[in-house]
Amino acid sequence: DTAVSQTPKYLVTQMGNDKSIKCEQNLGHDTMYWYKQDSKKFLKIMFSYNNKELIINETVPNRFSPKSPDKAHLNLHINSLELGDSAVYFCASSLGQGWAGELFFGEGSRLTVL
Amino acid sequence: AQKVTQAQTEISVVEKEDVTLDCVYETRDTTYYLFWYKQPPSGELVFLIRRNSFDEQNEISGRYSWNFQKSTSSFNFTITASQVVDSAVYFCALSEAYTGTASKLTFGTGTRLQVTL
Repeated sequence: DTAVSQTPKYLVTQMGNDKSIKCEQNLGHDTMYWYKQDSKKFLKIMFSYNNKELIINETVPNRFSPKSPDKAHLNLHINSLELGDSAVYFCASSLGQGWAGELFFGEGSRLTVL
Repeated sequence: AQKVTQAQTEISVVEKEDVTLDCVYETRDTTYYLFWYKQPPSGELVFLIRRNSFDEQNEISGRYSWNFQKSTSSFNFTITASQVVDSAVYFCALSEAYTGTASKLTFGTGTRLQVTL
């Protein structure tokens, strides 16, 4: 069983569209994250939720909206997609060890905006 | 501000060679955690090690070893007798200490390791 699973793995869409990426973890972790990896492989945190509560919200355009229906799921919705949104988006989760916790990452969702 | 520098963008070695990946970090915190992650060509990110700032003991796990030196703010990673399967991008990361319940990692830019036969 995959510990952190994301769907879809690949997403190709036109500028201006709205799209969602789903993430689920079966590790029983309390905290989930979205990270963005750009074309130069740079990884940067976007959001984090702990037990459905938003606790990290980095400088991300308002077009990005995370939603956590329960602690095992964290979805990412993106409105009005732009070319610069093309990237690999990683979902991750960690135990309730606060800032010291190791992250378990999903396989990534590659978003291409044309 | 937190910063992680991986000066080596790309390293190529021949199988069975030893290779060291450098990581230098900057932080004002006295308590912090350091991590290494591996990203193979398939794209997923695989956790390798976590080290807290109070534990400077070196660690060895099979062919992997880590050298943490607070005096030089470095956390280097050595692969002994490299294998083709070690080919990947390796990321060093630093966790910021704060009162929240999440791990806020600052990643380096990664070192691409290519191991050839």
